[in-house]
Amino acid sequence: AQSVTQLDSHVSVSEGTPVLLRCNYSSSYSPSLFWYVQHPNKGLQLLLKYTSAATLVKGINGFEAEFKKSETSFHLTKPSAHMSDAAEYFCVVSDLPGTYKYIFGTGTRLKVLA
Amino acid sequence: DADVTQTPRNRITKTGKRIMLECSQTKGHDRMYWYRQDPGLGLRLIYYSFDVKDINKGEISDGYSVSRQAQAKFSLSLESAIPNQTALYFCATQTSGSLTDTQYFGPGTRLTVL
Repeated sequence: AQSVTQLDSHVSVSEGTPVLLRCNYSSSYSPSLFWYVQHPNKGLQLLLKYTSAATLVKGINGFEAEFKKSETSFHLTKPSAHMSDAAEYFCVVSDLPGTYKYIFGTGTRLKVLA
Repeated sequence: DADVTQTPRNRITKTGKRIMLECSQTKGHDRMYWYRQDPGLGLRLIYYSFDVKDINKGEISDGYSVSRQAQAKFSLSLESAIPNQTALYFCATQTSGSLTDTQYFGPGTRLTVL
């Protein structure tokens, strides 16, 4: 069965320092992977997605993620954190072909310190 | 105007009451989903619909029912609400369906069952 594990439930960084949010997945086929962001009292917004094209995926607001099949990872990074990046981030793997449902990680809450 | 809307945005109700949460979309997507979000658990799928005549249970459908009134409308009902159904509920839409297709989320409904 497909699954996704977000390795940190909370991450704190100082403004201007790099961000790393870690995600590992398990899949019996070549999956699609997504990162979504949820700002306080808001819905979920797509940051980026991997669809078996380039392994380094660039998203909105300066975020990017690298698909590493050998490590079954899809970590989210940003070179320099901004206060507006404070939010909860979800890593998502697509389910089996024919269903295309999403399997969500449990989320990582990012705190950005001034 | 938002592409995916949910009503109400907030609702407080009492144990045993029947509640309906509504979702409407203007994206023209066939697929619609209902999720609930609980702290530390990510989003879990309640029901999903691939078209008006195709409705499927998700991983946590007990205590819930749905109705797909039209392509654009997908309602979630709690026949007899209980306190552990207190959560944030999200509706999402998706186009015809492939591994790479993005889901688009509504702003959420915060439900409290006393």
